[in-house]
Amino acid sequence: DAGVIQSPRHEVTEMGQEVTLRCKPISGHDYLFWYRQTMMRGLELLIYFNNNVPIDDSGMPEDRFSAKMPNASFSTLKIQPSEPRDSAVYFCASSFGTGFQETQYFGPGTRLLVL
Amino acid sequence: QKEVEQNSGPLSVPEGAIASLNCTYSDRVSQSFFWYRQYSGKSPELIMSIYSNGDKEDGRFTAQLNKASQYVSLLIRDSQPSDSATYLCAVTPTNQAGTALIFGKGTTLSVSS
Repeated sequence: DAGVIQSPRHEVTEMGQEVTLRCKPISGHDYLFWYRQTMMRGLELLIYFNNNVPIDDSGMPEDRFSAKMPNASFSTLKIQPSEPRDSAVYFCASSFGTGFQETQYFGPGTRLLVL
Repeated sequence: QKEVEQNSGPLSVPEGAIASLNCTYSDRVSQSFFWYRQYSGKSPELIMSIYSNGDKEDGRFTAQLNKASQYVSLLIRDSQPSDSATYLCAVTPTNQAGTALIFGKGTTLSVSS
C-alpha cells in the first residue's frame, strides 16, 4: 500500500489567501484525522472523521478552518483566509477502527508558510 | 482538560547506553498508550503500543505502563545514533473505538557516538 498521501508537500502563500490541503487515506481505513504541529503547541488534533462523517471538530481553531471528506478516499482541509499564525505542518492520519487499539498511520505532512 | 506531559529534553546519552523516556497523563480512564518516533522533518511513526500494566518488549525497545500512577515510559537499550529523534507519547482519552489520540509535545533524544 502507498500509505497516506498528502498534497501539496509544501505551500507558501500570502496572508488572506485560501489554502487547500489534500489527503488520501490508506485504502480500507475508516478513520481519518487532521493534525497540526508547531514547536510551541506540539501535535494537535483538528478534526477527525469516521466513515466520511465528522465526529469531533472541537480542535478546529476558528471558522476560517473547514474540512470535508466527500468519499472514503479523499479529504480536504481548507483555510480561508489564511493568516501567518496558521504556519505549521499539517498531518493527515488514518486508521482501521476495529477497537480502541487501532494504530494511526501518518502521511508525510504539508508544510505551510503564510507570509 | 486531558493532558499528556513529557520532558522536552534534549535527553543526551552515549551510544550503547539505555535511554529512558517518560510520560504522564491526566485522564484515568485512558486505555491505550503509544510511543511514536519522529525524525526531524518527517512524520510520526509508531514504534510501540501498550494496553496493560507492566512491561512490553520489542527488540531494543521496552514500554512500561503503570495505570495507577498514570505513567508510561519507553526504554531504549543499546542506544544508537540512529535513535536520535523526538519521541511522542500518545494516549487515547477513553475506551471508545476510534477515539483520536492526545499527544505529548515530545522528548528529543540525542545519542552520541
